[in-house]
Amino acid sequence: AQTVTQSQPEMSVQEAETVTLSCTYDTSESDYYLFWYKQPPSRQMILVIRQEAYKQQNATENRFSVNFQKAAKSFSLKISDSQLGDAAMYFCAYTDSDAGGTSYGKLTFGQGTILTVHP
Amino acid sequence: GAVVSQHPSWVICKSGTSVKIECRSLDFQATTMFWYRQFPKQSLMLMATSNEGSKATYEQGVEKDKFLINHASLTLSTLTVTSAHPEDSSFYICSASLFNYGYTFGSGTRLTVV
Repeated sequence: AQTVTQSQPEMSVQEAETVTLSCTYDTSESDYYLFWYKQPPSRQMILVIRQEAYKQQNATENRFSVNFQKAAKSFSLKISDSQLGDAAMYFCAYTDSDAGGTSYGKLTFGQGTILTVHP
Repeated sequence: GAVVSQHPSWVICKSGTSVKIECRSLDFQATTMFWYRQFPKQSLMLMATSNEGSKATYEQGVEKDKFLINHASLTLSTLTVTSAHPEDSSFYICSASLFNYGYTFGSGTRLTVV
């Protein structure tokens, strides 16, 4: 079974600084999808970034970028110019299936990292 | 786009009663819906996968008779917690997936059983 590991239960960063959240996963599949989700205190899950394993280029969304190392099975999230609104619990997630090209299969989550942003 | 509406957002019920949680896909057809349970400061635990028009697939250890899932249409999936007890108190989240988009989540339901 696939597993996702986030080894940092909590992280903190000063406003405007950069922080990196770690994620490793275990799979025997060659094609899969990786995600980072943010869960603020409202508990609404928000997609931060998505990476397809077949793409070598690291995904980027504004201040958020990933370092995808397929051979090492590592998928870290870098948040640049941290803002107070970035404070949340962050989840790394994995799926290796797509249901006939119309939707994804079930998602496996890591344990989560609570990010605190200090003003 | 790709919005999932989940209701109620919170509910308090008496021990022994049943509670129904609804998830509706507002602007797309969700052939598959996922149901999660989450305890405070913990990860999301997949309970079951529901497919429109067929029986749900439950994860190991999840009581099928306690957590009834129905996916009768392409826009509505429901989770009914039957004969609820205090240990069923938790945060329940539904999610649907769209290819080339990712997963979209409902806003969650906080269930408290007293």
